[in-house]
Amino acid sequence: NAGVTQTPKFQVLKTGQSMTLQCAQDMNHNSMYWYRQDPGMGLRLIYYSASEGTTDKGEVPNGYNVSRLNKREFSLRLESAAPSQTSVYFCASSDGPGVGRGYTFGSGTRLTVV
Amino acid sequence: GENVEQHPSTLSVQEGDSAVIKCTYSDSASNYFPWYKQELGKRPQLIIDIRSNVGEKKDQRIAVTLNKTAKHFSLHITETQPEDSAVYFCAASITGGGADGLTFGKGTHLIIQP
Repeated sequence: NAGVTQTPKFQVLKTGQSMTLQCAQDMNHNSMYWYRQDPGMGLRLIYYSASEGTTDKGEVPNGYNVSRLNKREFSLRLESAAPSQTSVYFCASSDGPGVGRGYTFGSGTRLTVV
Repeated sequence: GENVEQHPSTLSVQEGDSAVIKCTYSDSASNYFPWYKQELGKRPQLIIDIRSNVGEKKDQRIAVTLNKTAKHFSLHITETQPEDSAVYFCAASITGGGADGLTFGKGTHLIIQP
């Protein structure tokens, strides 16, 4: 039982390059999320998917797109990376409102844009 | 949207003493309040949570209290140990920890002095 798996763990991009961060969960959770973590800023929600087939913007969606490929997988795409997107990205999942034990986070992707 | 304020940003206590971290939230509709612990370079992990129909919850050395009227909640750690050193995040959610995502505080760096 792996929980939430993110790939890659580290990535360096040049400004303007694109990439996709992958996330998969094996807990049969309905909801999945992408957060970014910056020093002194806590965790900020980029996009979320309440259930398979739906996605919605969070607090800081500009510059990102997402795809909920199926119930297990939720990917985050940077179409044209900018230095301001240098951050640690966490994927998380939960089994829905009022139940379960909150969120389970992946191990994170440390992204540097130069 | 929801806004969560967390204080202090850094807290240093002697081993064996108690530590208290406080958070306030803005949206009176919030009904789920988890706390996460993040060790250096690792993912956030849920340590305790409370729902709005409960005023206090304990789990061994950790307790959380909620004052809905004042819109604040606190994490209490008693008999602190070196392994308690980490960054702690509070969070709030309107949907009970489900689809819309959590709003996090900016974190408290807890330092346990030997």
